[in-house]
Amino acid sequence: DIQMTQSPSSLSASVGDGVTITCRASQSISSHLNWYQQKPGKVPNLLIYAASSLQSGVPSRFSGSGSGTDFSLTITNLQPEDFATYYCQQGYRTPVTFGQGTKLEIK
Amino acid sequence: EVQLVESGGGLVQPGGSLRLSCATSGFTFSTYWMSWVRQAPGKGLEWVANIRQVESEKDYVDSVKGRFTISRDNAKNSLYLQMNSLTAEDTAVYYCARVERLVRGADTYYYRDVWGQGTTVTVSS
Repeated sequence: DIQMTQSPSSLSASVGDGVTITCRASQSISSHLNWYQQKPGKVPNLLIYAASSLQSGVPSRFSGSGSGTDFSLTITNLQPEDFATYYCQQGYRTPVTFGQGTKLEIK
Repeated sequence: EVQLVESGGGLVQPGGSLRLSCATSGFTFSTYWMSWVRQAPGKGLEWVANIRQVESEKDYVDSVKGRFTISRDNAKNSLYLQMNSLTAEDTAVYYCARVERLVRGADTYYYRDVWGQGTTVTVSS
């Protein structure tokens, strides 16, 4: 199975800051990497697919990059609604696997 | 509007069975792969199973193989998950999700773009 490792597991930031979350795959997954946001008690929401494509309706302050084994999700100008948990997920090979999540908290 | 609505969750004893349903609307169900993804209390997301447009093509995470069966009824626009021999480790919120597909050059990318609100399964005596 392909293991997905996110870092950090948690981070604190202030409104207006920029942050980057990284995701590393245990083997090359080309660009088969998706990012989801989940707020407490809510349904996961797709942000980025195919490593860098922004899902319709997602603000442009979210961006994704990377290929192979190393990926990142960058959020600029953090807004109050961005404080949530973020998951990466590889779709290169079954079983589909998710990272353990990164909890973004308000400083 | 695209909608996925799960049902069928509840409290079940260890070793018991449960059948989850996901009623869909707002899109051509028969043309999409579908997934079940679960989330144990306080934990991360775990993919459970996929089913392609054709009923015979299914994939499962190892921990549910032989116990869970994913199925679909394209005439009813519905997805199902039959869960047998349940254990405490199966306690989770179960989400159904639509799998969108993007073809870019020689590659096909899959991502879960629409999710249901989830149904809670609790396995306890």
